[in-house]
Amino acid sequence: DVKVTQSSRYLVKRTGEKVFLECVQDMDHENMFWYRQDPGLGLRLIYFSYDVKMKEKGDIPEGYSVSREKKERFSLILESASTNQTSMYLCASSPTDRANIQYFGAGTRLSVL
Amino acid sequence: AQSVSQHNHHVILSEAASLELGCNYSYGGTVNLFWYVQYPGQHLQLLLKYFSGDPLVKGIKGFEAEFIKSKFSFNLRKPSVQWSDTAEYFCAVTVSSGSARQLTFGSGTQLTVLP
Repeated sequence: DVKVTQSSRYLVKRTGEKVFLECVQDMDHENMFWYRQDPGLGLRLIYFSYDVKMKEKGDIPEGYSVSREKKERFSLILESASTNQTSMYLCASSPTDRANIQYFGAGTRLSVL
Repeated sequence: AQSVSQHNHHVILSEAASLELGCNYSYGGTVNLFWYVQYPGQHLQLLLKYFSGDPLVKGIKGFEAEFIKSKFSFNLRKPSVQWSDTAEYFCAVTVSSGSARQLTFGSGTQLTVLP
């Protein structure tokens, strides 16, 4: 079974803090993704990566950055958290040969106060 | 860029009722289509997918979906829902090309099944 693990289920941070959300997958997948999920808006892609040290912007990258130093780990960074970044964050991964089949982590619910 | 519309935001049904959730996409080329489901407190998981071939695809737990190219639709159906089908359902699309990796999701439909 593919396992995508997000380091925290719940996180509370203050405005202006630097926030790291970590994601690890154990299936040697090349592709990794970060989404945010908001009621009525579905999932929106923030960033994705198709190889180590490679990254591409998704639909809503503003205010976020990412890091992929190792194949299994994909980090989402909020350089200076703001209240409008309060959301559920989902990480996903997929293999290159079946790139459209994504496997999701349980999500991190981030509250920025 | 492609987009996905799910017109039903919240659907409430009684057990044994039939279900149809609408999904329309906008993209002029060849697409791959997906339905994902998120049960309460669980992670998002794939329900079914369409890549090519028979436009009627069957997924897990008795769900099926029909791809109607002329209507740009991929509606999800189940003849008789159960209380355990209570979940949020997301339709998603990606363009059918070798390097395609991005999924575009709809806004989701919350299904509540009353016992």
